[in-house]
Amino acid sequence: EVQLVESGGGLVQPGGSLRLSCAASGFTFSSYWMHWVRQAPGKGLVWISHTNRDGRSTTYADPVKGRFTISRDNAKNTLYLQMNSLRAEDTAVYYCARDGGFPRPFDSWGQGTLVTVSS
Amino acid sequence: EIVMTQSPATLSVSPGERATLSCRASQSVSGNLAWYQQKPGQAPRLLIYGASTRATGIPARFSGSGSGTEFTLTISSLQSEDFAVYYCQQYNNWPPWTFGQGTKVEIK
Repeated sequence: EVQLVESGGGLVQPGGSLRLSCAASGFTFSSYWMHWVRQAPGKGLVWISHTNRDGRSTTYADPVKGRFTISRDNAKNTLYLQMNSLRAEDTAVYYCARDGGFPRPFDSWGQGTLVTVSS
Repeated sequence: EIVMTQSPATLSVSPGERATLSCRASQSVSGNLAWYQQKPGQAPRLLIYGASTRATGIPARFSGSGSGTEFTLTISSLQSEDFAVYYCQQYNNWPPWTFGQGTKVEIK
């Protein structure tokens, strides 16, 4: 069974940093692209970052470019999101999602971890 | 960036009735359109990909149609567990992968 388990969320002050993790199991992690998607309280889904299978190719949404860094450790079956210079508008539940490969998009999701940016 | 627009924002439907949700893309996404279901406090779940292919384990009462810029998700006979928020997503032109703002299906 595919499982994705996020961790690392919490309360952080504006300007602070946080690193999220997503532990994967039940599939060959190194064979899949992975994504981070966030959802602000009461709002919709917003894609924020992706990485390819070996982590050498990454993309970011404009609101997080230059502040967030996605990475992965295929030996540990873990995806990461390093978040720096956090702002109040980054407050959201952060989900990791597996890219099922064309034509199946985000076919498995973690349960999410809440990041709250507030003083 | 391709903008996805869903309508209506909220759909009130009685159990057993049909629900029809719409999704429009700001430019053609071919058939590279997915639908997700999200229940309160839960992660999204993939329902439909390729505009019309049901994901593994998705009941036949869910169907998708459309291509280009106009898409529809139909739930043929709403069950109690189907009341949720539904999102469309395009994966034809990326980055970014973009979602619609969601349609909430509520009990009438």
